[in-house]
Amino acid sequence: AQSVTQLDSHVSVSEGTPVLLRCNYSSSYSPSLFWYVQHPNKGLQLLLKYTSAATLVKGINGFEAEFKKSETSFHLTKPSAHMSDAAEYFCVVSDLVTTSGTYKYIFGTGTRLKVLA
Amino acid sequence: EAGVAQSPRYKIIEKRQSVAFWCNPISGHATLYWYQQILGQGPKLLIQFQNNGVVDDSQLPKDRFSAERLKGVDSTLKIQPAKLEDSAVYLCASSQKTGGLANEKLFFGSGTQLSVL
Repeated sequence: AQSVTQLDSHVSVSEGTPVLLRCNYSSSYSPSLFWYVQHPNKGLQLLLKYTSAATLVKGINGFEAEFKKSETSFHLTKPSAHMSDAAEYFCVVSDLVTTSGTYKYIFGTGTRLKVLA
Repeated sequence: EAGVAQSPRYKIIEKRQSVAFWCNPISGHATLYWYQQILGQGPKLLIQFQNNGVVDDSQLPKDRFSAERLKGVDSTLKIQPAKLEDSAVYLCASSQKTGGLANEKLFFGSGTQLSVL
């Protein structure tokens, strides 16, 4: 079964410094991976997704993630944090439901990013 | 394009009462998901529909939770009787069934925040 592990429940960075949110996955085959962001009192928004094309994926708001098969990792990075980046971030792995041809999405436990002025 | 609609936005009930949540997915989206997000945790899949059929309900507590999508469009999730530990945000999401992850994307509603007292 597919699963994801987000290694940090909380990350604090100063505004203007780099962001690193770590995610490891477990999969019996090459997975598809996503990062979603959830701002307070707002819905979940897709940041970026990896679907076996380029291993370095660029997303919205300056975020990017690199798929590393040898390390089973899909860490999310941003060169310079903004105050508006403060939110909860979820790493997600997809699993094909072969009987229906649909996809099941499994979420990690989340990382809360705090940006300090 | 209208998004995923959910109602009510908030609900407060006492334990042992019943409650129902409604979701209307994006028009044309064949797959509908109900997730439970307990405070401080990632969303957990409760049930997944493909049109009006259930694809996965392995994590649905069937002694108290039920869900239906009778006409393959909107869906209702019910809890009867509610327990204190059911306090959570209930998220509905939908996606197209395209047969490939390149275009696959989850669209989330704003959620229903349930408080069981």
